[in-house]
Formats: sequence, C-alpha cells, structure tokens
Amino acid sequence: DGGITQSPKYLFRKEGQNVTLSCEQNLNHDAMYWYRQDPGQGLRLIYYSQIVNDFQKGDIAEGYSVSREKKESFPLTVTSAQKNPTAFYLCASTSRGPRYTEAFFGQGTRLTVV
Amino acid sequence: KQEVTQIPAALSVPEGENLVLNCSFTDSAIYNLQWFRQDPGKGLTSLLLIQSSQREQTSGRLNASLDKSSGRSTLYIAASQPGDSATYLCAVRPQAGTALIFGKGTTLSVSS
Repeated sequence: DGGITQSPKYLFRKEGQNVTLSCEQNLNHDAMYWYRQDPGQGLRLIYYSQIVNDFQKGDIAEGYSVSREKKESFPLTVTSAQKNPTAFYLCASTSRGPRYTEAFFGQGTRLTVV
Repeated sequence: KQEVTQIPAALSVPEGENLVLNCSFTDSAIYNLQWFRQDPGKGLTSLLLIQSSQREQTSGRLNASLDKSSGRSTLYIAASQPGDSATYLCAVRPQAGTALIFGKGTTLSVSS
C-alpha cells in the first residue's frame, strides 16, 4: 500500500541528545514537510522540501535540521539546541506539477524529553 | 501573513444531527484548501481538497464549500454518527510551492 511511514512511534530524548525522526514515502511525491503539533497550538511548519537536495525553513526551524538525499526520505533531526522538543511530530507529502494534489500525512512520532 | 481560524473550537451534538464546521482565512488569494480529520494520538486523514477554482467538493456524507472572496470554507456533515467524533482541521495552501497553513481545529463529539 502507498503511504507515509514515520518511525519510531514514540521516542524519548535525554537532555543534550540529538535524535532523528524518520519519514519515508512510497507515493512518488516530490514535496515533503515536517510539522510540529502542540496542544492548543495547531500544526506549525518546521521544514519543507520541494525537490531532492533542496529544503526551506518553516516558521519554527530553530533547533531542527533536515536532509533530502532521496526522494522517498526526509529525516528530521531534533538537536540539543531545541529547548522544548516535547511534542507530536508529523510528516507529510504531496505531488507537484501543474496542480498540487492532496497532502497525505504519516501517523506521527511522539517525542518526550526525559 | 495568511492566518486560518476555525470556530467553534469544540462542538457536541446528538447522533443524527446535521452540522457545519467553519473555517476562515485572512488572504483570499489561495491555491487550494484541504479538510482533515485527526483522531486522538493519530496522524491526519485527508477528507476533501478544494482547488481555488472550485466552489465545493463532496465525499459521502461530507460536503465542503469554498468562498474565496469572503475568505471562508465550511464542512457540512450530514446525519452525524458517533464515529465522526474527532478533531477536524482546515488548511490552506497560499501558492503553488508553499506549505499548508493550518487552523487549530474543531473538536467534534457526537453522542449516541
């Protein structure tokens, strides 16, 4: 089945650690996105990538980094510089071209600082 | 900067009622608008996508309308069921090549 796979589902980070969240899609979509969801704040954009080897910062990129070496993969690293990383992280993808189609989302990764 | 607002934040209805969820956006120049459903602790499920040139889209008991000139979209749910209980999110894409901007959602509870 085509879709977006995020892993792990739950992730625990110690103070000062970097952690990487995985996002893989087999929809042949060009564009991929990372959002952060906090209670009462809705979804906020961290980074997005329209094509391989290119990405742009979103509204809350500080303390995060990404790479886009393959069309199918868009991993997100939460660095130690992110002071409040506890949140629900969602990855999405969409096709490009003459008409942007539906955005599809993964099932999310819940990150907790311990 | 584009902002998306959803009112009300929460809604409780008895089973069988028809209901309308509202979404408003500040800049009428949008590329498309998408409605999603989110169950607790889960990812987002796409419900309907409306391109800027369209006025409405329908899927089963769901109907979404778009009025760009007034900056509004509505999601109509007919004959609500307890399984419709979830948070409904509205998102707009300002231009091709940009990311979706989300409202904070409406949490719907349908009682049997």
